[in-house]
Amino acid sequence: EDKVVQSPLSLVVHEGDTVTLNCSYEVTNFRSLLWYKQEKKAPTFLFMLTSSGIEKKSGRLSSILDKKELSSILNITATQTGDSAIYLCAPRSGAGSYQLTFGKGTKLSVIP
Amino acid sequence: DSGVTQTPKHLITATGQRVTLRCSPRSGDLSVYWYQQSLDQGLQFLIQYYNGEERAKGNILERFSAQQFPDLHSELNLSSLELGDSALYFCASSVTSGDYNEQFFGPGTRLTVL
Repeated sequence: EDKVVQSPLSLVVHEGDTVTLNCSYEVTNFRSLLWYKQEKKAPTFLFMLTSSGIEKKSGRLSSILDKKELSSILNITATQTGDSAIYLCAPRSGAGSYQLTFGKGTKLSVIP
Repeated sequence: DSGVTQTPKHLITATGQRVTLRCSPRSGDLSVYWYQQSLDQGLQFLIQYYNGEERAKGNILERFSAQQFPDLHSELNLSSLELGDSALYFCASSVTSGDYNEQFFGPGTRLTVL
């Protein structure tokens, strides 16, 4: 059975702090790993990672995949209150299928 | 706005009843996915359709069924509802081309079973 573990489960930081969110996975026929941000609505796409060691960046957010360690991290620098959300990690498995297995998420709270 | 639409937004019903949730994918997307999100289980994959055909099945109960129509919209049918079926149901769609699989999520349908 595919497994995804995210840590920490929740995190409270002050504005301006830098945070690192972790995701480890065990899936059959791994293809890629996606990160999503979920506020009080539908998850919104952040990154898709397919190759080990190549960092994807978008503004203050960045992510990297380590296929050897079966893990990924999501970094957020200079956090803002608008970064408060649940961050979900989802590896994609299976040839011919685009099924995503979601972790339970890390709930990030950024306080002023 | 992801371009994926779901109706209804909220649904309140009683145990034992049957409901139908509807999803329209983004224009051009051939794949539709259904997910269930509850507080204790997180976001769980239910089923995927690609161009009208079932492509993958996840933790979908036998009481649940889905289909994708020729115009690519999809419906998720939930029958003999139980209290534990109360959850947020998301539909997502994607282009599905090679390894590119960014799934766009609809706003969800919140189902409450009383």
